[in-house]
Amino acid sequence: DVVMTQSPLSLPVTLGQSASISCRSSQGLVYSDGSIYLNWFHQRPGQSPRRLIYKVSNRDSGVPDRFSGSGSGTDFTLKISRVEAEDVGVYYCMQGTHWPRTFGQGTKVEIK
Amino acid sequence: QVQLVQSGAEVKKPGASVKVSCKASGYTFTTYGITWVRQAPGQGLEWMGWINVNNGNTYYVQNLQDRVTMTTDTSTSTAYMELRSLTSDDTAVYYCARGGLSPDFWGQGTLVTVSS
Repeated sequence: DVVMTQSPLSLPVTLGQSASISCRSSQGLVYSDGSIYLNWFHQRPGQSPRRLIYKVSNRDSGVPDRFSGSGSGTDFTLKISRVEAEDVGVYYCMQGTHWPRTFGQGTKVEIK
Repeated sequence: QVQLVQSGAEVKKPGASVKVSCKASGYTFTTYGITWVRQAPGQGLEWMGWINVNNGNTYYVQNLQDRVTMTTDTSTSTAYMELRSLTSDDTAVYYCARGGLSPDFWGQGTLVTVSS
């Protein structure tokens, strides 16, 4: 199975500052169609996960442009610029290229 | 608007089975597969499996494949996930989500509690 390793696992941030979460895969994520199915999700307490980013860097509809995804090969990053209070929660990366699909452990973002 | 509405919370005894439903609306059901994910209390997300709604083909995570069955009913746009021989380790919130490569819309979750 492809192991997705996130860091850090806990990320205290100051409102208005930026935050970065790393996600590394144990193997490359290029799918047969040439795309890389690396996704990012945000989960607030008591809520369902919400997809933020798909295929490395594509922002979902309604997701603020403060969120950006980047990366290639086996290293991927989610960046949140100008963190707001509503950004707290747990962020997960997920690879959709290989069977079984796998998630990272999650990164808990909280306000300092 | 796309919606996935799941069945209500369940309490089961060890050894029993549970069947969770996920009713889709707002899109053509046969256009997307359905992914199932679970989350134990205080833990992360665990991918369980996926079903191709068009032909019923499934892929299950290895550690569940002897106990899980995913099905769909295209006449009602509903997906189902049945888990058998439940133990306390199966206590979790179970989610369905649309799609497989990049699940986009998610159900509200169904809490399954396994307790004697």
